[in-house]
Amino acid sequence: QKEVEQNSGPLSVPEGAIASLNCTYSDRGSQSFFWYRQYSGKSPELIMFIYSNGDKEDGRFTAQLNKASQYVSLLIRDSQPSDSATYLCAANQAGTALIFGKGTTLSVSS
Amino acid sequence: KAGVTQTPRYLIKTRGQQVTLSCSPISGHRSVSWYQQTPGQGLQFLFEYFSETQRNKGNFPGRFSGRQFSNSRSEMNVSTLELGDSALYLCASSLVPGLAGTDTQYFGPGTRLTVL
Repeated sequence: QKEVEQNSGPLSVPEGAIASLNCTYSDRGSQSFFWYRQYSGKSPELIMFIYSNGDKEDGRFTAQLNKASQYVSLLIRDSQPSDSATYLCAANQAGTALIFGKGTTLSVSS
Repeated sequence: KAGVTQTPRYLIKTRGQQVTLSCSPISGHRSVSWYQQTPGQGLQFLFEYFSETQRNKGNFPGRFSGRQFSNSRSEMNVSTLELGDSALYLCASSLVPGLAGTDTQYFGPGTRLTVL
């Protein structure tokens, strides 16, 4: 069974720190990886996606992909209280459905 | 460009009833996926439609069904509701099915279904 695993948290970091969120996936055929942010009571919002090994940066966010280790991570620099949310990792192989992890809750304290 | 819209936003039903939820994708998006989200199970894939055809299906009972219209709008139906069907039902749209290539998926606001 294809799975995406995330530590449920909560992950607590002080304002201004770097938050590191991790995700592993079981399907070696996975090609695309996504990070979504979900505030309580809201729907998931796409933060960024990554397809190639290495790092991809977008503002304060950096996604890292290591296909050999089947590992994806999201770094949030200069964390703000507004970053407090649940972060969902998802993976898919082209033509198939997205498989989501259960999410990691991030709490940023001011 | 307008985002994904879902109606209704909230629903309260009783056991045994049936319910129909509606989703309009982002303009130009032809693929619509449905998910069920519960605190215990997280986001679980129900099914995906593209060009009025079901392309992928998750592991849910036959009480859960869907369809897509020629304008890409989609509906999902749950018959004989059970207490365990209480959840947030999310619709997501993308350009193509299965996110081939560099496609991405965007979620609607969801429909909160409560079964009493």
